[in-house]
Amino acid sequence: GNSVTQMEGPVTLSEEAFLTINCTYTATGYPSLFWYVQYPGEGLQLLLKATKADDKGSNKGFEATYRKETTSFHLEKGSVQVSDSAVYFCALDYGGSQGNLIFGKGTKLSVKP
Amino acid sequence: GAVVSQHPSRVICKSGTSVKIECRSLDFQATTMFWYRQFPKQSLMLMATSNEGSKATYEQGVEKDKFLINHASLTLSTLTVTSAHPEDSSFYICSAGRTGQQETQYFGPGTRLLVL
Repeated sequence: GNSVTQMEGPVTLSEEAFLTINCTYTATGYPSLFWYVQYPGEGLQLLLKATKADDKGSNKGFEATYRKETTSFHLEKGSVQVSDSAVYFCALDYGGSQGNLIFGKGTKLSVKP
Repeated sequence: GAVVSQHPSRVICKSGTSVKIECRSLDFQATTMFWYRQFPKQSLMLMATSNEGSKATYEQGVEKDKFLINHASLTLSTLTVTSAHPEDSSFYICSAGRTGQQETQYFGPGTRLLVL
């Protein structure tokens, strides 16, 4: 079946450190892949997405590349800030339309000044 | 734009009572709204898809008579947990799809339900 696995948290980094949050998926067909972010007290927000193999999604300094050969969509940022502290969710859309999202468990990131 | 609110943000109730959670799209119309449930350190699990003016579509294993969903307008969907039990304690999150846009869901902040 379809599933998303992402690295367990929490992840604690110092400001300006390099961030990687691993995400791998299992899916039939060609899903779209997403990273959502949830800041404290707020709803999930779409951070970036990629709809086909080798696409790179990017936003706010974060990047993730859709790797079909390794079924991965790792999230990276070169220099994190305290304001990046949040929970990050990897997700896939297996149905090509709204609502068919499967989420990973979420990874909590804490960035210390 | 594209703000979704949930009310209440937190609720504690006694076992056997019913609890209603509201999900509103504040600045856009949402033909479709989704209800998720999240257990501690677990993924968000889709419970049901709610379409304005029609019956909700429930995911396998979700009891439709226990989790009543009403989507009476383009800006409001409600989830009622009937005869709540301690095992229903969870974090309930709604999202709304803007009419005419695909692959974009806007999420509410969630409602923490604790059943004693």
